[in-house]
Amino acid sequence: EAGVAQSPRYKIIEKRQSVAFWCNPISGHATLYWYQQILGQGPKLLIQFQNNGVVDDSQLPKDRFSAERLKGVDSTLKIQPAKLEDSAVYLCASSLGVYAEAFFGQGTRLTVV
Amino acid sequence: QKEVEQNSGPLSVPEGAIASLNCTYSDRGSQSFFWYRQYSGKSPELIMSIYSNGDKEDGRFTAQLNKASQYVSLLIRDSQPSDSATYLCAGTGGGNKLTFGTGTQLKVEL
Repeated sequence: EAGVAQSPRYKIIEKRQSVAFWCNPISGHATLYWYQQILGQGPKLLIQFQNNGVVDDSQLPKDRFSAERLKGVDSTLKIQPAKLEDSAVYLCASSLGVYAEAFFGQGTRLTVV
Repeated sequence: QKEVEQNSGPLSVPEGAIASLNCTYSDRGSQSFFWYRQYSGKSPELIMSIYSNGDKEDGRFTAQLNKASQYVSLLIRDSQPSDSATYLCAGTGGGNKLTFGTGTQLKVEL
């Protein structure tokens, strides 16, 4: 069974530019998560989807970050405009449901210069 | 108060010893708990899940859950150098969101 796919693996952009990340969850997984992980810290939940709906986005900086999950499958996370403090690894995960085990993709390492 | 709290470590244990990792959570409505292992530069990898009070064993790993005291622990028996990593505790609270602690760094010394 294929795992969670993310792209790109690495991205370097200048501040004030925009960037988008893509995630394809494990087939059949209804719940999809986007996390931001800064070096030395635990993953911070940015947004959690259940099918097409948003379960939680309380920590998503909505003035610059946006996310969508079309048709309850793939998801994209966008940052516009990027700031230096957005440099982090962006992790996508998916699970069968909100209480089920979540599995992570390889992540996207973003560097904002 | 953080929803999930862990001691950041590092926790150092000699090879062959038992490593004990602890985690506390604040939301009494939390239903499911997980332990992930994360090697440097890699994404988190699920190693244990636990949903009810008591112990759950899987090979060298034992997860323990005590809902009354709101803590979760992970025991690693016969620790190996390859177990050296950061261990992340996570829980799904009443708001149905999956929240992680800051992680505990484990070092297994030869």
